[in-house]
Amino acid sequence: EDQVTQSPEALRLQEGESSSLNCSYTVSGLRGLFWYRQDPGKGPEFLFTLYSAGEEKEKERLKATLTKKESFLHITAPKPEDSATYLCAVLGWDYGQNFVFGPGTRLSVLP
Amino acid sequence: GAVVSQHPSWVICKSGTSVKIECRSLDFQATTMFWYRQFPKQSLMLMATSNEGSKATYEQGVEKDKFLINHASLTLSTLTVTSAHPEDSSFYICSAQEFTSTDTQYFGPGTRLTVL
Repeated sequence: EDQVTQSPEALRLQEGESSSLNCSYTVSGLRGLFWYRQDPGKGPEFLFTLYSAGEEKEKERLKATLTKKESFLHITAPKPEDSATYLCAVLGWDYGQNFVFGPGTRLSVLP
Repeated sequence: GAVVSQHPSWVICKSGTSVKIECRSLDFQATTMFWYRQFPKQSLMLMATSNEGSKATYEQGVEKDKFLINHASLTLSTLTVTSAHPEDSSFYICSAQEFTSTDTQYFGPGTRLTVL
């Protein structure tokens, strides 16, 4: 059965303190791994799609990387506006069109 | 690009009434749309998947007669909660997927349903 876990569950950082969020997955065949950001009371906002091990993507202070078992979302010099829940989702070749979501990491960046 | 809207953003209704939520892809054609439900501090729970012109595919445990989904066009899907009860109160989010090689789902802003 496809599974996605995320760690830590919650993370508090000082502004400017870089860190990484982890998304570990088990899937019979990875079709894609997706990162989203969700603010309270809003829908998830798309960040990145990764397809193969070794792939990296960047957007402003965020960088996503992918291995065969996990993905990292690196946050460099975060700002308070980066505070949100970060969701990871996996799409497997054997799972039709449906994403398997992780539980999310709640990030708080303190000024 | 890839903007998805939902309407209404929030709704309050009385128990026993029906509520319709619209999901629109504004700048692309969505061959597939998804409906999720999210409880406080929990991740998204997929309710159903709909392809334009076809019947929706419901996840196990989701009552198809209670949650009616219509995907009549490539830019519009609707979710109707029939005979709503307080336990149906939740945050409902739709997503849309363009028929490309990316498989990316773009999410709407969500609809907060409160049933009194």
